[in-house]
Amino acid sequence: AAGVIQSPRHLIKEKRETATLKCYPIPRHDTVYWYQQGPGQDPQFLISFYEKMQSDKGSIPDRFSAQQFSDYHSELNMSSLELGDSALYFCASSSAGTYYEQYFGPGTRLTVT
Amino acid sequence: KNEVEQSPQNLTAQEGEFITINCSYSVGISALHWLQQHPGGGIVSLFMLSSGKKKHGRLIATINIQEKHSSLHITASHPRDSAVYICAVFSNTGNQFYFGTGTSLTVIP
Repeated sequence: AAGVIQSPRHLIKEKRETATLKCYPIPRHDTVYWYQQGPGQDPQFLISFYEKMQSDKGSIPDRFSAQQFSDYHSELNMSSLELGDSALYFCASSSAGTYYEQYFGPGTRLTVT
Repeated sequence: KNEVEQSPQNLTAQEGEFITINCSYSVGISALHWLQQHPGGGIVSLFMLSSGKKKHGRLIATINIQEKHSSLHITASHPRDSAVYICAVFSNTGNQFYFGTGTSLTVIP
């Protein structure tokens, strides 16, 4: 069965650069969630989208933005990267009505140097 | 205050041992997930539970909604089971997950 796809899987950027992470949900899933997991930390919810509209917002820095496109894939844009942004960013998808049944992607490991 | 508590935090077992990881939570939930994360790797959802018990291979997950408690069991543990196991609950009052701090499991050959 198709799973959540994220790209790239690994990304190395320098401070003050920008990065774009992509998440492709499971087919027919219309909701995407983004999480950030710092080294040795619990995952933190960043933001979610339903039907291309932002549905919920967590601890997402102002330097980050995200959107969901008409094919339901989502992109997380990160600007003015800081060393503390180094983390595993993973997304999850679900379908409306079963939002608690989230399927997680493999994550993108971002390293800021 | 942690909405999700896991125990133990670290666990070392000999290959073949039966392993139990516990999760207690304090919020009302729609579902509970057991997640597996290998070092440097992404997260894999092992189980999603809202009641009862589920089994997949050597893995068994149970949940007691009244007691707000879930357990993950691994039978005949194997070194490839070495990973961090995370309990995550989806709150039924807010559209978000609460994650446990994880249990780091090492299975020694």
